[in-house]
Amino acid sequence: AQSVAQPEDQVNVAEGNPLTVKCTYSVSGNPYLFWYVQYPNRGLQFLLKYITGDNLVKGSYGFEAEFNKSQTSFHLKKPSALVSDSALYFCAVRGSASYGNNRLAFGKGNQVVVIP
Amino acid sequence: DTAVSQTPKYLVTQMGNDKSIKCEQNLGHDTMYWYKQDSKKFLKIMFSYNNKELIINETVPNRFSPKSPDKAHLNLHINSLELGDSAVYFCASSQQGAFSEAFFGQGTRLTVV
Repeated sequence: AQSVAQPEDQVNVAEGNPLTVKCTYSVSGNPYLFWYVQYPNRGLQFLLKYITGDNLVKGSYGFEAEFNKSQTSFHLKKPSALVSDSALYFCAVRGSASYGNNRLAFGKGNQVVVIP
Repeated sequence: DTAVSQTPKYLVTQMGNDKSIKCEQNLGHDTMYWYKQDSKKFLKIMFSYNNKELIINETVPNRFSPKSPDKAHLNLHINSLELGDSAVYFCASSQQGAFSEAFFGQGTRLTVV
């Protein structure tokens, strides 16, 4: 079955510094990878996804993510963090239906704290 | 207009009661889901429907029963509520296809006392 690992519980970063949230995945066949953000007492909001093609994917609010097949990673990045980026970030993976693993599997989430 | 809306937003009820959470999406999606988020923020899929047909049914107590009257609605009914059912329940929808992102509702915070 497909799975996602987000190794850090919390990421602290100073405002204006680069932000990286790590994600590694395991899936049979080609992966479809997603990042979501959850603000307090809100639902998850889609940030970006990787399907195929360019390994660097750009998404909402200045976020981007880099797909690395050899390292099975899909780290989320932002060049300059804002205090308003403080939230819970989820990485998710889905495989193809032909492998029977088309359920969207979420990581445990990373709390990002941007310090003013 | 809210894309995925679920009601109620908060639900406090006593053990043993039966309750329902409603979900509607106006995105024209074929697939709808219910997720449970526990106190540690871990997300787990419970059910998935595609065109009103159940396609994913994870290991969930049979006290939980989803119902999809049409493509735009997926309701969750819970019988004989237990303390351990306390969590935030999210409804979501997506287009059919593994590469389609899901759109989530605001969540229903269920507290069983």
